[in-house]
Amino acid sequence: KAGVTQTPRYLIKTRGQQVTLSCSPISGHRSVSWYQQTPGQGLQFLFEYFSETQRNKGNFPGRFSGRQFSNSRSEMNVSTLELGDSALYLCASSKGTAQETQYFGPGTRLLVL
Amino acid sequence: SQQGEEDPQALSIQEGENATMNCSYKTSINNLQWYRQNSGRGLVHLILIRSNEREKHSGRLRVTLDTSKKSSSLLITASRAADTASYFCATLKAGGTSYGKLTFGQGTILTVHP
Repeated sequence: KAGVTQTPRYLIKTRGQQVTLSCSPISGHRSVSWYQQTPGQGLQFLFEYFSETQRNKGNFPGRFSGRQFSNSRSEMNVSTLELGDSALYLCASSKGTAQETQYFGPGTRLLVL
Repeated sequence: SQQGEEDPQALSIQEGENATMNCSYKTSINNLQWYRQNSGRGLVHLILIRSNEREKHSGRLRVTLDTSKKSSSLLITASRAADTASYFCATLKAGGTSYGKLTFGQGTILTVHP
């Protein structure tokens, strides 16, 4: 079974721009969660989608948004980029129940200049 | 914000030795998971332990969970240079509103010298 895939793997943007990251979950998984990893704040939860609905959201500003499509693929968007948005963005997929393991993709490394 | 803390922050050992990492958390949990991360890449799932379990094994890994102390430990036996990585514990909070939301510790950087 193919693992979680994320595109692109690397991205360089300038302040004020917007960016869209994509995540394709493991086949059969309906839940996708997004995380931001920075050296200062560590791994922080952004949001989770299940069957195209956002079920949970972390403490990030409204510039961070996401969506999920009917095939469970998910995208996250960051508008008006700031230098502090430079991070590794990880998505994880699972079947969607509480006891299920989350499987992570390789991440997208975003650098904001 | 982080749910808890991991201890130690960094651990340096020789190949063949055992490595023990500890994780503490703050709230009641549904389950606790351990992950490994190599050099800023994606997280690799190691083991999941449910709140009603006390110990689990997987190959050279042994995880314990003490819900009364809100703590967990990960033991890697007979370590190898390839075990060099950052190790994170992550908890899923108990209750019906924690869908997909893992809360991570700061991680332990393990270095295994050949």
